[in-house]
Amino acid sequence: GAGVSQTPSNKVTEKGKYVELRCDPISGHTALYWYRQSLGQGPEFLIYFQGTGAADDSGLPNDRFFAVRPEGSVSTLKIQRTERGDSAVYLCASSLAGTERYNEQFFGPGTRLTVL
Amino acid sequence: LAKTTQPISMDSYEGQEVNITCSHNNIATNDYITWYQQFPSQGPRFIIQGYKTKVTNEVASLFIPADRKSSTLSLPRVSLSDTAVYYCLVGDLNSGGYQKVTFGTGTKLQVIP
Repeated sequence: GAGVSQTPSNKVTEKGKYVELRCDPISGHTALYWYRQSLGQGPEFLIYFQGTGAADDSGLPNDRFFAVRPEGSVSTLKIQRTERGDSAVYLCASSLAGTERYNEQFFGPGTRLTVL
Repeated sequence: LAKTTQPISMDSYEGQEVNITCSHNNIATNDYITWYQQFPSQGPRFIIQGYKTKVTNEVASLFIPADRKSSTLSLPRVSLSDTAVYYCLVGDLNSGGYQKVTFGTGTKLQVIP
């Protein structure tokens, strides 16, 4: 596609439920990032994939959060036993890593997660 | 990761040049400086990136002094559509081209008619 897409755009769930958030990066982009953004704050890094592997997951807040990218393209962020504090906008970005151009990250529109 | 400090908010009239300065006193040798723009309900959008001196593109200019402890994003002749939050980031471009960056709270620019 023309840009990074994320589904769903909005997700409302109840405390304790499991959710999956999907990211479709720009075709050919090898690097994929997940961020979380709370109201009035900048995006907070969660995890970075280079290809299929998670090269850096140091931003995942705890073991309830997990992300996969099995074929090196689409990625899914999974949150188990959701808590109200997980409510935020989850942003996905991709980049064409390893090029001479700037390491520009292209962001999707985000998924707004609300945990009731 | 180098921490950045930038003004929380700025106001400017349409047509004026806007300069937003960011402090990054602990910037490392391998760190690049990148600026992103974010509109409400959208993901951030890359504006410009640089390592030292001056970088200019069709949207903005980035001025970086020799000590690299600060940088200034310059937006020429702003319009109402430039009202957004602007983030200054520093991060290392490792051998794979991956840049782990930390977003601060950004500068909320309000352009006034």
